Amino acid sequence: GESVGLHLPTLSVQEGDNSIINCAYSNSASDYFIWYKQESGKGPQFIIDIRSNMDKRQGQRVTVLLNKTVKHLSLQIAATQPGDSAVYFCAETQGAQKLVFGQGTRLTINP
Amino acid sequence: DSGVTQTPKHLITATGQRVTLRCSPRSGDLSVYWYQQSLDQGLQFLIQYYNGEERAKGNILERFSAQQFPDLHSELNLSSLELGDSALYFCASSPFAATYNEQFFGPGTRLTVL
Repeated sequence: GESVGLHLPTLSVQEGDNSIINCAYSNSASDYFIWYKQESGKGPQFIIDIRSNMDKRQGQRVTVLLNKTVKHLSLQIAATQPGDSAVYFCAETQGAQKLVFGQGTRLTINP
Repeated sequence: DSGVTQTPKHLITATGQRVTLRCSPRSGDLSVYWYQQSLDQGLQFLIQYYNGEERAKGNILERFSAQQFPDLHSELNLSSLELGDSALYFCASSPFAATYNEQFFGPGTRLTVL
């Protein structure tokens, strides 16, 4: 199928804690995955991507983990800040032709 | 600011009408993508153009059409509008044809069909 889903629609964390946002995908042939962040009233913004030949990729305060065995993707945000409040989408490419987005997880930060 | 511009920002129209949404990609980007974002469907890929040619098609209705012009700007035409077409429409651009890279999204056009 072409579904990309998220385990949790909302996630609330304390400022300074680490956040983990999960995503399940259904197409074992997908070979590229990407995370986007969407703040209220704005378009999605790229966070990090990973190809299927990798298990882990790190950016600035963010890490993406890919487990192809169970078709699971996660985004880890270290030392979560108020500016991290947003909806986070995972997406996968299918045949390098289109992105299929998940439904999104809303991350809220408690002071 | 992603460098992608979309006009208009808001659009309110009636059922049965036709509207045109406009997108200007980042300077130098050859690919333009259109997405629809509604509350119940999330972000749905509609169509991609690369250097003036249609490259990929997603869940785009027959009532919808798009094109990319020689100056690389793109227009999305929505006709015979229905209430269910109310949504945010995003345009994104990237330098390449394949989707193995970051897409830069515009601020979106909010369409309300009454």
